[in-house]
Amino acid sequence: AIQMTQSPSSLSASVGDRVTITCRASQGVRNDLSWYQQKPGKAPKLLIYGASSLQGGVPSRFSGSGSGTDFTLTISSLQPEDFATYYCLQDYSFPWTFGQGTKVEIK
Amino acid sequence: EVQLVESGGGLAQPGRSLRLSCTTSGFSFGDYGVSWVRQAPGKGLEWIGFIRSKVYGGTIEYAASVKGRFSFSRDDSKSVAYLQMDSLETEDTAVYYCTRTPHITNTYFDYWGQGTLVTVSS
Repeated sequence: AIQMTQSPSSLSASVGDRVTITCRASQGVRNDLSWYQQKPGKAPKLLIYGASSLQGGVPSRFSGSGSGTDFTLTISSLQPEDFATYYCLQDYSFPWTFGQGTKVEIK
Repeated sequence: EVQLVESGGGLAQPGRSLRLSCTTSGFSFGDYGVSWVRQAPGKGLEWIGFIRSKVYGGTIEYAASVKGRFSFSRDDSKSVAYLQMDSLETEDTAVYYCTRTPHITNTYFDYWGQGTLVTVSS
């Protein structure tokens, strides 16, 4: 199975900060990668698919990049509603696998 | 409005069975795949299975952790997906989500249900 490793596991940031989360695959996954945001007690929400395509309705401060084994999710200016846990998911090969999550907390 | 609603969760003893339903509305259910994702208390997300749309054969993929114990199905006439869970183990305790899964050009989970909690305990 392809392992997805996110870093950092958690981070503290302030409103207005630029935040970058990375996801590394144990083998190449082309651009078959999506990003999800989850708030406590809620279902995850799709942010990015195809590594860099913004899901409809998602603010443009979210962006994704990368291909192959290394991917990034960037929040250009962190807003209060962005404090949450973020997950990457590869759908290149079965079993599909999530990263372990990155918790973004208020500094 | 696209909606997915899981039901059927609850408390089950180890070795027993439960069946979850994912009732959908607001879209053409038959055109989409359905994936199931679970989240153990305080843990991350785990993909456990995917059933393709009938156009793509309706075939099913399973995670190793549930293969042979869980089965997925769909009833396109009712716009409902099912997760049959047999031989439950305490490690199956989790919130279970169903997701709408487009799988033609890109694959992703664009809509999620609210989740249903399954607790396996004696």
